Amino acid sequence: RKEVEQDPGPFNVPEGATVAFNCTYSNSASQSFFWYRQDCRKEPKLLMSVYSSGNEDGRFTAQLNRASQYISLLIRDSKLSDSATYLCVVSRLSSNTGKLIFGQGTTLQVKP
Amino acid sequence: GAGVSQSPRYKVAKRGQDVALRCDPISGHVSLFWYQQALGQGPEFLTYFQNEAQLDKSGLPSDRFFAERPEGSVSTLKIQRTQQEDSAVYLCASSPPGKNIQYFGAGTRLSVL
Repeated sequence: RKEVEQDPGPFNVPEGATVAFNCTYSNSASQSFFWYRQDCRKEPKLLMSVYSSGNEDGRFTAQLNRASQYISLLIRDSKLSDSATYLCVVSRLSSNTGKLIFGQGTTLQVKP
Repeated sequence: GAGVSQSPRYKVAKRGQDVALRCDPISGHVSLFWYQQALGQGPEFLTYFQNEAQLDKSGLPSDRFFAERPEGSVSTLKIQRTQQEDSAVYLCASSPPGKNIQYFGAGTRLSVL
């Protein structure tokens, strides 16, 4: 069983739709949480960090449930440009940089 | 400013050949990571440097894999006697002091025939 589990999808949604991705992690020592975005044949780029209180960045909302070891990403009003793979990522060090542990990624296709 | 630079972007190797992949991190970033990404999978950690010290090499899949960063800036990942299962994208990331953010290079796509 992988340490970070995601549904690989693909999720096919129309423009303007709201879509939610979920992720679970198995190691309770995980302390930092992120969503990265990866376009086809490109490098991963940080989309947003995830905090226990929940955080929002424009159309994107991330939530963390430490008790359930569950992370979510909500995208509202989907755009064609949101089409990408979304990687759920955890790290075990809270203050210093530590290795990142990636999920398999969830593929999103936004259709016109 | 310049991001993380990796070369070559693409490498085709015959099975058994040695390869060397280069990573030039963002200036001033003391932390450097190597990851391996197989097709359809998320990146998997290989090794970590803080300046020139290799502090974690727990992800290197075999002793055919070797990484160095002798002067604390540019790093090289070397794979000896390549095998078909080594075919993947090799990603390098660097991180500034005190920040828990990693910036990735575009990767080297290695194909072993």
